[in-house]
Amino acid sequence: EIVLTQSPGTLSLSPGERATLSCRASQSVSTSYLAWYQQRRGQAPRLLIYGASSRATAIPDRFSGSGSGTDFTLTISRLEPDDFAVYYCQLYGSSPRFGQGTRLEIK
Amino acid sequence: QLQLQESGPGLVKPSETLSLSCTVSGGPINSTSYYWGWIRIRQPPGKGLEWIGSIYYNGGTFYSPSLKSRLTLSVDTSKNQFSLRLSSVTAADTAVYYCARQNWIIAGLDVWGQGTTVTVS
Repeated sequence: EIVLTQSPGTLSLSPGERATLSCRASQSVSTSYLAWYQQRRGQAPRLLIYGASSRATAIPDRFSGSGSGTDFTLTISRLEPDDFAVYYCQLYGSSPRFGQGTRLEIK
Repeated sequence: QLQLQESGPGLVKPSETLSLSCTVSGGPINSTSYYWGWIRIRQPPGKGLEWIGSIYYNGGTFYSPSLKSRLTLSVDTSKNQFSLRLSSVTAADTAVYYCARQNWIIAGLDVWGQGTTVTVS
């Protein structure tokens, strides 16, 4: 079973800064099946990135995804107040699984 | 615009069966491009998203291995609705339950319900 490990667990940054979130798979996975989600407090998760690097509908270009093999990255270029949330990576398939999440908090 | 809405009891007794439904509006459930899934975040906070299972419009299912023995998913295309039944619940099943559209073309969960809190007590 493939395990997704996200780091760091918590990231403290200020608005305007750049955020880099990591997702590492326990074995190589297809980029086609790697997605990222944002979950703001009290809200449902929202799809940000699919196929490792494609932005979902209405997602601003401040959000970008990259990576291949076992290492994937979500980058938020200039943090805005609404970006402080929990972020999950996910491996899609017949039995989708999520990473444990990275909490992005205001410093 | 497609919308999903969960419904069901907010409180379930231990050992009983948790039943939730998800009503799809703004589009048909019987599309060949999507599965329809359930995801939860267990309480207290601090635990992440857990995929529960998914169902196709023709009734084909995928279940989480950890929940398979207690889980039944069903679909009612006439009501544009799909449902979850989780038997023999314990406090560990206390969670916010979400339904979502699994878009296998882009390999992502691209539409989510707002979530419903279920407490086992």
